Amino acid sequence: AQKVTQTQTSISVVEKTTVTMDCVYETRDSSYFLFWYKQTASGEIVFLIRQDSYKKENATVGHYSLNFQKPKSSIGLIITATQIEDSAVYFCAMREGHNNNAPRFGAGTKLSVKP
Amino acid sequence: GPKVLQIPSHQIIDMGQMVTLNCDPVSNHLYFYWYKQILGQQMEFLVNFYNGKVMEKSKLFKDQFSVERPDGSYFTLKIQPTALEDSAVYFCASSLTREGAPLFGEGTRLSVL
Repeated sequence: AQKVTQTQTSISVVEKTTVTMDCVYETRDSSYFLFWYKQTASGEIVFLIRQDSYKKENATVGHYSLNFQKPKSSIGLIITATQIEDSAVYFCAMREGHNNNAPRFGAGTKLSVKP
Repeated sequence: GPKVLQIPSHQIIDMGQMVTLNCDPVSNHLYFYWYKQILGQQMEFLVNFYNGKVMEKSKLFKDQFSVERPDGSYFTLKIQPTALEDSAVYFCASSLTREGAPLFGEGTRLSVL
């Protein structure tokens, strides 16, 4: 069964620095899709970035990038030049490619960006 | 950008009553989902729906739960009867393709008293 694990409960950084949030996943499927979302203080859930398992190149969108280490079943999210407004809870999710299963989420990592 | 709308934003009901949560997905999306979140914790999958059918449901999707999307209107989650443990925020999401990243609504906070 698919499983997503985020071991970092919370992280605190100073603004303008770079932060990495960890995520590992378990699946027996050879094809899968990985997603990162953030949930703001208001509860809004925003899609940030994705990585498809067959793509070797790490995805990048704006100041978000991914560190995809397939042999380690790991998909870290990197935020460069953090801003105060990046403070949120970040969720990693995975969807398997060869069945009808919906994405499953990790427990989330709370990021606090301070001045 | 495209948005998923959820109505109402907050619903308070007495235990044992029926409740229907409404979701207006992105207009051309074909895959629909419900997730449950308690107190800002983990997003827990309930059910996904495609082409008028439930494709997958979790153990949290009890017999008291049902979903439907009659004639392309709202995608609804009905709970009948409700229990105290159903109190949570319910998020609806939709995607165009099976592989697409689901886009989420702002959630409906359900309080069962």
